[in-house]
Amino acid sequence: KQEVTQIPAALSVPEGENLVLNCSFTDSAIYNLQWFRQDPGKGLTSLLLIQSSQREQTSGRLNASLDKSSGRSTLYIAASQPGDSATYLCALPSQGGSEKLVFGKGTKLTVNP
Amino acid sequence: SAVISQKPSRDICQRGTSLTIQCQVDSQVTMMFWYRQQPGQSLTLIATANQGSEATYESGFVIDKFPISRPNLTFSTLTVSNMSPEDSSIYLCSVVFAEETQYFGPGTRLLVL
Repeated sequence: KQEVTQIPAALSVPEGENLVLNCSFTDSAIYNLQWFRQDPGKGLTSLLLIQSSQREQTSGRLNASLDKSSGRSTLYIAASQPGDSATYLCALPSQGGSEKLVFGKGTKLTVNP
Repeated sequence: SAVISQKPSRDICQRGTSLTIQCQVDSQVTMMFWYRQQPGQSLTLIATANQGSEATYESGFVIDKFPISRPNLTFSTLTVSNMSPEDSSIYLCSVVFAEETQYFGPGTRLLVL
């Protein structure tokens, strides 16, 4: 059974800082991995989808890396802004290529002006 | 991409009552998913709703408590029956498109008194 862990649970940084969020998973036979953003009172927004054959994906100031062998993914946020403040969730298929996702508990990021 | 709406956005209910949550997608999709996010917890999959067949429930969730309808390819409902305070959560629906990215609705915040 796939289990997903995210550390740290919360992170507070000053504006402009580069930061890394971590996600680890127990079953390395993954199909893909997604990073989501959740704003208070709102649903989830997909940030990046990284396939098992890929090492990383980039979108703007965001870069997600994937190391299947070690069961880890990182989300790198460059030049953080107050608008980046949100909870960031990592999710993987529960098994194989299933569309059912297993989520980590998330990292609550606060970027202080 | 997909535009997903949910109704209601939030509700406060008395224990013992039932609430039906609606999920509408702007495109036809084969599968729709219902997730629950309890306070301070991660998202947990409740069930998968397929058009034309009964929903498939995950371990720990039963049809009598969470009946689901899927009358067509763009709409689904989730009912939370005989509610107790432990049912206070955010309920989210989601869909997957060809590019494998999962899209979520804005969620329904439920508080049971």
